Amino acid sequence: DAKTTQPPSMDCAEGRAANLPCNHSTISGNEYVYWYRQIHSQGPQYIIHGLKNNETNEMASLIITEDRKSSTLILPHATLRDTAVYYCIVRPVLQGGSEKLVFGKGTKLTVNP
Amino acid sequence: GAVVSQHPSWVICKSGTSVKIECRSLDFQATTMFWYRQFPKQSLMLMATSNEGSKATYEQGVEKDKFLINHASLTLSTLTVTSAHPEDSSFYICSARASGRGGYGYTFGSGTRLTVV
Repeated sequence: DAKTTQPPSMDCAEGRAANLPCNHSTISGNEYVYWYRQIHSQGPQYIIHGLKNNETNEMASLIITEDRKSSTLILPHATLRDTAVYYCIVRPVLQGGSEKLVFGKGTKLTVNP
Repeated sequence: GAVVSQHPSWVICKSGTSVKIECRSLDFQATTMFWYRQFPKQSLMLMATSNEGSKATYEQGVEKDKFLINHASLTLSTLTVTSAHPEDSSFYICSARASGRGGYGYTFGSGTRLTVV
């Protein structure tokens, strides 16, 4: 079962920042927070991941609360092409490469012109 | 880097026939691949974990005799839907993780749309 809770849908105006929340109150100390997104009828696309510290890359920023029970994905300047379902996933830090990603229901982000 | 190719992108088959879907890691070796299924307006559901050179591990409720998985090399895993029926119509997606890569190492294929008529 997914260990995350996300709002089912959100809207954002084009050019504005999109802030997508995720609750993972049962996260363990050895679990990463991952974010993926899925544009309609395509495979999921990796966005960003983090363990404790905030992270930023060319796509987005990830803000993780100090207690690690929630996080926020920030798309700084949303475009129409960012319309997608965004998934927040927790995964244990284990070795071997066999650790599976379990998807929850995600947040349907709609970027409006 | 880290490209996963999935083929075919869509397939229509008659009820009772079998369909094979291929998942290839193009520029890295993947000891582990994952197979997901997604019904319309639903999330991805993990079906099985495919391990190179060994038997796949199936999630609870997934019939291993119906969904045959073969991971014969470090770059290829196949999913065969045997005796397909209309209820097997779905979007099938594979994922692979490169050995030794960091946490961002999960790469997904573009998916296969299966329609059973």
